[in-house]
Amino acid sequence: SQQGEEDPQALSIQEGENATMNCSYKTSINNLQWYRQNSGRGLVHLILIRSNEREKHSGRLRVTLDTSKKSSSLLITASRAADTASYFCATDESTPLVFGKGTRLSVIA
Amino acid sequence: SAVISQKPSRDICQRGTSLTIQCQVDSQVTMMFWYRQQPGQSLTLIATANQGSEATYESGFVIDKFPISRPNLTFSTLTVSNMSPEDSSIYLCSVVAGQNSYEQYFGPGTRLTVT
Repeated sequence: SQQGEEDPQALSIQEGENATMNCSYKTSINNLQWYRQNSGRGLVHLILIRSNEREKHSGRLRVTLDTSKKSSSLLITASRAADTASYFCATDESTPLVFGKGTRLSVIA
Repeated sequence: SAVISQKPSRDICQRGTSLTIQCQVDSQVTMMFWYRQQPGQSLTLIATANQGSEATYESGFVIDKFPISRPNLTFSTLTVSNMSPEDSSIYLCSVVAGQNSYEQYFGPGTRLTVT
């Protein structure tokens, strides 16, 4: 298993703004996943992007993957206070997943 | 997908006691895992719960401290034994559901505070 590393560690924005967080990893992958964790709760799966995909959308979420740079970004558009959470990326060629420290996003109303 | 429930959702326990956390999945799953998330930290994999055999523990975790049962494909328990304040964490059950799926689903977690 390998660990993705999220950047920045913390991000604070105003409601309505876009939030971008990044993930870097070290070796070849089959897929990369993003998860959200609201304070004190379990992780919720947001989106999975496969290594042969470059961009994927889900609602207000846009994920990009650059396998040449071994990096991914998660963009949340028109952020809301309810988006306040920690966001984790995870990569693995097999289960179980291993997580980095995450990006703590605070959306201020 | 899979829907996972955990019991209890939270507990406050005294030092030296043990707590058993239950994980129930709404479908049969092959792979089930237990994670720990200490305050302000990321998730750390404790072990893989294997049905019909002993759990597979990650480095730093031992069976005497975290005994795990997996009697069938929908249920598992994790016991935190002889607790100390350092065991205060959120404990999460997780499964992989679906054939050829890399999606991992997580329970709501059990928030444990040891005093």
